[in-house]
Order: sequence, then C-alpha cells, then structure tokens
Amino acid sequence: ETGVTQTPRHLVMGMTNKKSLKCEQHLGHNAMYWYKQSAKKPLELMFVYNFKEQTENNSVPSRFSPECPNSSHLFLHLHTLQPEDSALYLCASSSLRGSEQYFGPGTRLTVT
Amino acid sequence: KQEVTQIPAALSVPEGENLVLNCSFTDSAIYNLQWFRQDPGKGLTSLLLIQSSQREQTSGRLNASLDKSSGRSTLYIAASQPGDSATYLCAVSNSGYSTLTFGKGTMLLVSP
Repeated sequence: ETGVTQTPRHLVMGMTNKKSLKCEQHLGHNAMYWYKQSAKKPLELMFVYNFKEQTENNSVPSRFSPECPNSSHLFLHLHTLQPEDSALYLCASSSLRGSEQYFGPGTRLTVT
Repeated sequence: KQEVTQIPAALSVPEGENLVLNCSFTDSAIYNLQWFRQDPGKGLTSLLLIQSSQREQTSGRLNASLDKSSGRSTLYIAASQPGDSATYLCAVSNSGYSTLTFGKGTMLLVSP
C-alpha cells in the first residue's frame, strides 16, 4: 500500500464504548497529525507527533488519547465519547513538521 | 491568531467555465500556503503548495497565486469539468515548524 491509510473507514459506537482509530503512513515521513472535521467548521488540529514525540495537543479533551509507537503508525484511542464528537477524523503525515502534508481518507465516526 | 477565510462558500458553474476561488488570511507572515481538494466524505488531496517566497504555482489546469502583503491567495481553474466538483480548502502555515490553519472551504459544483 502507498500513501496514508486509515482504519476503520466507518465506526459507530455508544458513549460507553472504547475503540481505537489507526493511521499508517508508507511515505517515510517523520511527523503525523490528527485532525477533526465537523460539519460547517474548518478542520481542527488535535495532535501533532514529530519523531514519535507529541509536540502539540490542541486543548483536546482527555477522552481522546493518541499513541505513536513509531514514525509510521498513529492511533487515536476513544472512550466515553459524546454525540458531539461525531465527525470525520483525518490523519496526515509530512516529512518534517510544517512541510507539505498528505492526508488519509478519514474515519467517519458516529457516537450514539 | 491566524484566521483563514474562503469566498465564496459555494459556487455553481457550467462546464467549460474558467473560475477563481479566493482565500484570505489575517497574518501575512506565512511560511507557505497549501490548496487541497476534498471529495464528499473523503480525505484531502494536496493540489498546490506555494512557499512564501513564490508568487504562483501551476499544475495542469490549476494555477494558484499568492500575494503575501495583502494576505490573499487565489486558485484559478481553467476549463472546468464535472470531475472538478469538490470542496476546495486553503490552509496556511506560519512557520517552518507550525501546523496548518484551514479555511472552511469553497464547495464547487460543475454541471455538464
């Protein structure tokens, strides 16, 4: 596979569930990002990892927990979410933090 | 705090027309500007990246210009086609290590 992949593509979960989103990049990049895209709002940056170290947390609630075990993989662990957390969650990567970003297809999350 | 505005929010044109999408940003001290395309429910595809030292970039029927001093960028699409229908997003980076600030996008519909 090439580029940035995300799994699952669609996820429906209850407010008491625990689930994880996965992102994998095959581009040899060193920076990875999580974004949230809600209807009628600009993309919101959630987290940035640079060389596996978290360098930015954009005031994201603790019910979202990122994990970056290596430069190619990024996870977003979800627990006790709220219906307003329903959105498209996008992962991106870049060779260096701040350089051109490449996006995955996203995970459409619905919280019931 | 950087803010990015895109006008118009939506645009509908017949096939074959040339069109211009506009992007403005409040802080002109940008590092680069990126134009993306997003198909419904999908991730983002990078179209053009303009460094702050550049005035324009071209790729096929697309031409993006940058006027840093006035805080504006335009995306020109020549001879539009129905396959160009998508949402076009503008994003700016304020330093070599900063992340992207996105506009809300322009939803383009090209009818046959």
